[in-house]
Amino acid sequence: EAQVTQNPRYLITVTGKKLTVTCSQNMNHEYMSWYRQDPGLGLRQIYYSMNVEVTDKGDVPEGYKVSRKEKRNFPLILESPSPNQTSLYFCASRELGGGLAGAVGELFFGEGSRLTVL
Amino acid sequence: GNSVTQMEGPVTLSEEAFLTINCTYTATGYPSLFWYVQYPGEGLQLLLKATKADDKGSNKGFEATYRKETTSFHLEKGSVQVSDSAVYFCALLEGGSEKLVFGKGTKLTVNP
Repeated sequence: EAQVTQNPRYLITVTGKKLTVTCSQNMNHEYMSWYRQDPGLGLRQIYYSMNVEVTDKGDVPEGYKVSRKEKRNFPLILESPSPNQTSLYFCASRELGGGLAGAVGELFFGEGSRLTVL
Repeated sequence: GNSVTQMEGPVTLSEEAFLTINCTYTATGYPSLFWYVQYPGEGLQLLLKATKADDKGSNKGFEATYRKETTSFHLEKGSVQVSDSAVYFCALLEGGSEKLVFGKGTKLTVNP
């Protein structure tokens, strides 16, 4: 079954304690991305990657890091979490070529990771 | 820059009512347009899409038509069901870009 798997699904942590949210996809997609979802703000992109060892900042990258050492995995790292990073996080992936008419790939989302930073 | 504006929610309807969720966009080129749906406790999933002007996307009884002249992509369904209760996101992908731009989402609740 094609899927994007995130872990953990729920996490409560304290300010400053480093954490990693893992993301793995089994569809051999080149493109992977992290979003956060907050009430009234919708989805905002944190980081994205178009291939192994290629990552770029999205709209709200501050306080986050990512890595793409393997095609299937794209972990999100919070080195020193703060309460304003309390949010619902989504990982997503798709095939590249989304900018060309007729080659628009569907974005597949994980089920989300709800993070609370106290 | 590119942007998507959706009608503010929440929207509450009775079962079998007609649904419209408005979406307008701003883009410099010729984007592809999408509607994604998020059911409670789940991630987003693609509902329908349209890649060029006058295209109509449809799925599960939902429809949306790409209107270049009004820069709109309104979502409609003739008769909603309780199971349609979800958050709906309009999104665009501009030609030559890999970045999907989302609206803020509209929460729909359908009561029996």
